[in-house]
This record gives sequence, structure tokens and C-alpha cells, in this order.
Amino acid sequence: AQSVAQPEDQVNVAEGNPLTVKCTYSVSGNPYLFWYVQYPNRGLQFLLKYITGDNLVKGSYGFEAEFNKSQTSFHLKKPSALVSDSALYFCAVSHTWAGGGADGLTFGKGTHLIIQP
Amino acid sequence: GAVVSQHPSRVICKSGTSVKIECRSLDFQATTMFWYRQFPKKSLMLMATSNEGSKATYEQGVEKDKFLINHASLTLSTLTVTSAHPEDSSFYICSAKDFANTGELFFGEGSRLTVL
Repeated sequence: AQSVAQPEDQVNVAEGNPLTVKCTYSVSGNPYLFWYVQYPNRGLQFLLKYITGDNLVKGSYGFEAEFNKSQTSFHLKKPSALVSDSALYFCAVSHTWAGGGADGLTFGKGTHLIIQP
Repeated sequence: GAVVSQHPSRVICKSGTSVKIECRSLDFQATTMFWYRQFPKKSLMLMATSNEGSKATYEQGVEKDKFLINHASLTLSTLTVTSAHPEDSSFYICSAKDFANTGELFFGEGSRLTVL
């Protein structure tokens, strides 16, 4: 079975400061890791993914994430936070990669990111 | 990126009625779609995998007779909540897999169901 843990329900960061949203995972075999963002009453927007290769993955809106196999982590980071980054962030994992993509994802519980002006 | 459309975005129904939610891939063909349920302040829970032309695969604990899934074409999957009850009220989100191109998963905007 695969699982994702996002240990923080909420992260508060001042605008302009760096931000980190934590994610750890458990999966048998190779992990395929994703970050999504969700605004109120909206669907999920893809931010970035790790499939293989470079451990530092760069994604949309200036976000990046670092895959750490020994710590089974995939923390989301951004060097300088914007108020518009305030949203709900989900980390997700899949253990299958078929047809060039992941199958049904297992999501973490989500972390509310609040950027204070 | 590719677009996945869900309809309706919001629906209110009376207890005991059935509600159908549509998930369409607008600019690509999706042989596989996924249905999720999201509870307030909770994560998304995978309900089922919808495969075009075959029966859906349900996750453990999801009632297949309660949540009917039909994937009759390469661009449309439907989720029907049968004999809805207030505890079925939730935010339902679909995703579609763009097999032919990147294999990426694209998510719909979600459908909020409220059962009175």
C-alpha cells in the first residue's frame, strides 16, 4: 500500500520569505511524486512531478521540490512567497507508471499555505 | 495543458433522488479516468478507476451500486450517485489520463453535491 503524509495542516509565511511545505511518502517500488494546488471550490492544478532523474524538480509559478530517497521526502519549496500563493497544497504518490503517466494517485491530507502581506 | 470539464459544478438534490455528474476531456481522448471524493478539510479519496468500454474498478469500501460509473466514450465518464442521502454530500473531482501524449493526469474543476 502507498501513503503520503503532510505533517502540517497549515503553514504561515510572510510575503517575500521562503516557504516549505513538507511531504513524506511510503510506497513499494519506485515512487512517482506530484504536487498539486487547489483554490477554494476548484479542482486541482498541477505544479510539478518527480519521475526519475534530477532530484530537484522545478515546476509552475516558481515552485520547486526536492526528492530525497533516503528520507522518503518530497518537500515543496519556493524562494520568495507571494500572497497569491495562499491555497491548499496536496502531495500525491503513485507506484505505477503506465502509458507514460501515473494511475490513480494517493493524496496527502493537504496543507493550507497562508502568505501574510 | 489539456482541459477536463465537469458538469454540473454545483447540484442540490432531495434525499432519495439520483444525480449524474459528467466528466469530459475536451481536447484529448482519455481511455482512463479517475473519480475522487473530497470531504471538507480532508484529502481526496480515490473512489474508482473508469476505463472506456469496460467496467469501472472500485476502491475498497466504495459501494459500486451506490456510485455508478459509466465510461461510454473516449471523452466522457459519468458518475451517478443513486438514491442520494445527506452523507453523500461532498465535492467530487474527476481526472483524465492523456494516454496518447504525455500520460499526464488532468483534473476537472470538481462538482459540489448537496443532498437535502
